[in-house]
Amino acid sequence: KNEVEQSPQNLTAQEGEFITINCSYSVGISALHWLQQHPGGGIVSLFMLSSGKKKHGRLIATINIQEKHSSLHITASHPRDSAVYICAATSNYGGSQGNLIFGKGTKLSVKP
Amino acid sequence: EAGVAQSPRYKIIEKRQSVAFWCNPISGHATLYWYQQILGQGPKLLIQFQNNGVVDDSQLPKDRFSAERLKGVDSTLKIQPAKLEDSAVYLCASSMTYRGSHYEQYFGPGTRLTVT
Repeated sequence: KNEVEQSPQNLTAQEGEFITINCSYSVGISALHWLQQHPGGGIVSLFMLSSGKKKHGRLIATINIQEKHSSLHITASHPRDSAVYICAATSNYGGSQGNLIFGKGTKLSVKP
Repeated sequence: EAGVAQSPRYKIIEKRQSVAFWCNPISGHATLYWYQQILGQGPKLLIQFQNNGVVDDSQLPKDRFSAERLKGVDSTLKIQPAKLEDSAVYLCASSMTYRGSHYEQYFGPGTRLTVT
């Protein structure tokens, strides 16, 4: 079992729909990151959070430390939101402290 | 603020050939990371530098992969000889602190390697 699990693996939505991507983790962390990766390969950091909720434009990220769960929401989705969304946790234990542990990503396609 | 720069963006080579990737981190970032991302998977850490010293290369296939960061700024990652399974996106990232409670890694655009 991976230390960081994402669901769903693939998601197709119609333009305008509300989208939720989930992330659960099984290790101790100091922060949780949501990353966006477009087909060219480069990664952009969307959020880094350790508690509560953050909002940026149409994107909202939440984290529940007790349940070891985070969600990324996209409101009023648009075709340009199509990308792979990756959840990554900053490890806070042992020799891996400070390293990022990545989920496998969720491939989102938003149809016009 | 300039981001993390990588080159080349794309590279196609035949198996058993050699290839090198270059990364220029954000100015002032002491920590530099190289990741390998195979299609459909999350990135895997290959090597982590703090200034010009290696702090983690446990997942680097040292028989064919090498990396250096001689002056604590730019870094190169080399594969010699390449295998088909090395086809992946190679990502470079940098951050200001190491083992801090909250730090953020900034990623470059990646180099997509295809080995035929």
